[in-house]
Amino acid sequence: AQKVTQAQTEISVVEKEDVTLDCVYETRDTTYYLFWYKQPPSGELVFLIRRNSFDEQNEISGRYSWNFQKSTSSFNFTITASQVVDSAVYFCAGNFNKFYFGSGTKLNVKP
Amino acid sequence: EAGVAQSPRYKIIEKRQSVAFWCNPISGHATLYWYQQILGQGPKLLIQFQNNGVVDDSQLPKDRFSAERLKGVDSTLKIQPAKLEDSAVYLCASSLGGSRANYGYTFGSGTRLTVV
Repeated sequence: AQKVTQAQTEISVVEKEDVTLDCVYETRDTTYYLFWYKQPPSGELVFLIRRNSFDEQNEISGRYSWNFQKSTSSFNFTITASQVVDSAVYFCAGNFNKFYFGSGTKLNVKP
Repeated sequence: EAGVAQSPRYKIIEKRQSVAFWCNPISGHATLYWYQQILGQGPKLLIQFQNNGVVDDSQLPKDRFSAERLKGVDSTLKIQPAKLEDSAVYLCASSLGGSRANYGYTFGSGTRLTVV
């Protein structure tokens, strides 16, 4: 099976807390890409990061960081010092010859 | 750089009516995708075009949905006749395509369809 699973349906945190969004994938492909997207209430999907299967280096971009581990088929996303503007639905996706999206995690950041 | 343009932004129709959505991808993007996103779910790929040819339409309900991409640029997605379960956001995306299909992958704002 080829799929992306986001087990956390909804997470609520208080501003300035760190939060990690989990993503687990299944694929039989050896070459693939993984993505994270943010979907604010306006509905547009905003690209956050792309990772290819050969690059397991973790990445940090400001308050955002990503942990890619092929051994556990996971691609987790951490927001450090969360802010109210981070409130959105976050989707993990994989391109295994075709795009597969997870069901999304709704993040609520309260002031 | 202009993004992926979609219209209309919202549409409300009665069941059994027809509806069409339009998408204009980013200039130079060879690959165009239509997704259906039902409330509370992740987007599901309906159809993928490479230039004006169909690459994947395995999840397109072909008895009622059709899509075309004339001249390899703009695309239209049509539903005829619509059912209540077609209520969703229809997202268009485009990318560079080919060996760079994972690059420049950009989504439009979507068309929110409500079937009553």
